[in-house]
Amino acid sequence: GEDVEQSLFLSVREGDSSVINCTYTDSSSTYLYWYKQEPGAGLQLLTYIFSNMDMKQDQRLTVLLNKKDKHLSLRIADTQTGDSAIYFCAESPLNDYKLSFGAGTTVTVRA
Amino acid sequence: SAVISQKPSRDICQRGTSLTIQCQVDSQVTMMFWYRQQPGQSLTLIATANQGSEATYESGFVIDKFPISRPNLTFSTLTVSNMSPEDSSIYLCSTTSGTYEQYFGPGTRLTVT
Repeated sequence: GEDVEQSLFLSVREGDSSVINCTYTDSSSTYLYWYKQEPGAGLQLLTYIFSNMDMKQDQRLTVLLNKKDKHLSLRIADTQTGDSAIYFCAESPLNDYKLSFGAGTTVTVRA
Repeated sequence: SAVISQKPSRDICQRGTSLTIQCQVDSQVTMMFWYRQQPGQSLTLIATANQGSEATYESGFVIDKFPISRPNLTFSTLTVSNMSPEDSSIYLCSTTSGTYEQYFGPGTRLTVT
């Protein structure tokens, strides 16, 4: 599968914005995903973006894609304690539904 | 979105035994997948469960160790055979109906002693 890399940890103060970064190596058209995993739970699909888009916004979540640099970010506005979780970036090539995951970023929200 | 359930949610098994994990989807879906998440690690695709044909396995995974069934469009099973402690992981099924939205089940937490 393709390589997907993420920073491992992020600590953010409650009420601030969180930005989680991801890089990928696939140079063809691709779908890019953000999943959230809370302790002891499965994966929750937060959002996804196709590589012909630059940005996607959904309530507190903003995804930015820099296709030239193969860089994806997830911004969480007004971060809450319930946002504490592991966030996984994942990629699948066009016409292939297999997901390649990053290592996950553990986000800790402090009061 | 699809709602996916898995059974069992967790189990503790002895080495050398086998465990079959069930995955049920609340609607008919085209594709089902099985992933493994080893402790503290990311997810790795084991195989694609194809309805009406043999599963397609990823490099490093073989049918003898992880036999998969897909008898219909809403159900699949994964068996972890002849288990060793290295098989201790979370096993997750996922699905898509042909769109690029992929949903995951809650996972089965397996501990092999």
